[in-house]
Amino acid sequence: DAGVIQSPRHEVTEMGQEVTLRCKPISGHNSLFWYRQTMMRGLELLIYFNNNVPIDDSGMPEDRFSAKMPNASFSTLKIQPSEPRDSAVYFCASTPGTGLSAFFGQGTRLTVV
Amino acid sequence: GESVGLHLPTLSVQEGDNSIINCAYSNSASDYFIWYKQESGKGPQFIIDIRSNMDKRQGQRVTVLLNKTVKHLSLQIAATQPGDSAVYFCAEWVSGTYKYIFGTGTRLKVLA
Repeated sequence: DAGVIQSPRHEVTEMGQEVTLRCKPISGHNSLFWYRQTMMRGLELLIYFNNNVPIDDSGMPEDRFSAKMPNASFSTLKIQPSEPRDSAVYFCASTPGTGLSAFFGQGTRLTVV
Repeated sequence: GESVGLHLPTLSVQEGDNSIINCAYSNSASDYFIWYKQESGKGPQFIIDIRSNMDKRQGQRVTVLLNKTVKHLSLQIAATQPGDSAVYFCAEWVSGTYKYIFGTGTRLKVLA
């Protein structure tokens, strides 16, 4: 099992540009989470999908952030336009169901200059 | 830019000694708990979990203890090795929700 796969591992972009982060959850997992990790705030839940449906996006900072899960094996997190304060490590995690352990990807380190 | 970050408590342990990392959880309705290890530049990695109907669970070199009375969780690492150096997070899951609530983490430093 390859685990949760995220791409790219690193992204450097200029302020105002669109950024798309990608995630492939573990096969058979029906729940997917996007988290953001910063020194200031630690791990923050951005959005949660269950069976490809967004259940809770209350953690999404603002309208510049959007996430999709078109099928069970792929999700994207998009930031448009990006701002320097979006710089962080973004993690995707999946779980076979609620109340079961969540497995994380290696993260995407985003730097907006 | 950010001038103030989360202050992570740090535990420094001599190689070969046992480590105990503590976590206070917030919700008395939480009934599933996980310990994660995060090494620099990597994602949180599952170590061990425990459900609320248990008070102890053992893995390879790791033991998790749960005290529901005082809402306290601990991770014990036996014979700590340099490769154990990382930040350790506890996470709680509340029954009937989908959210995992993460602690701020503890940095473990293993001294040679």
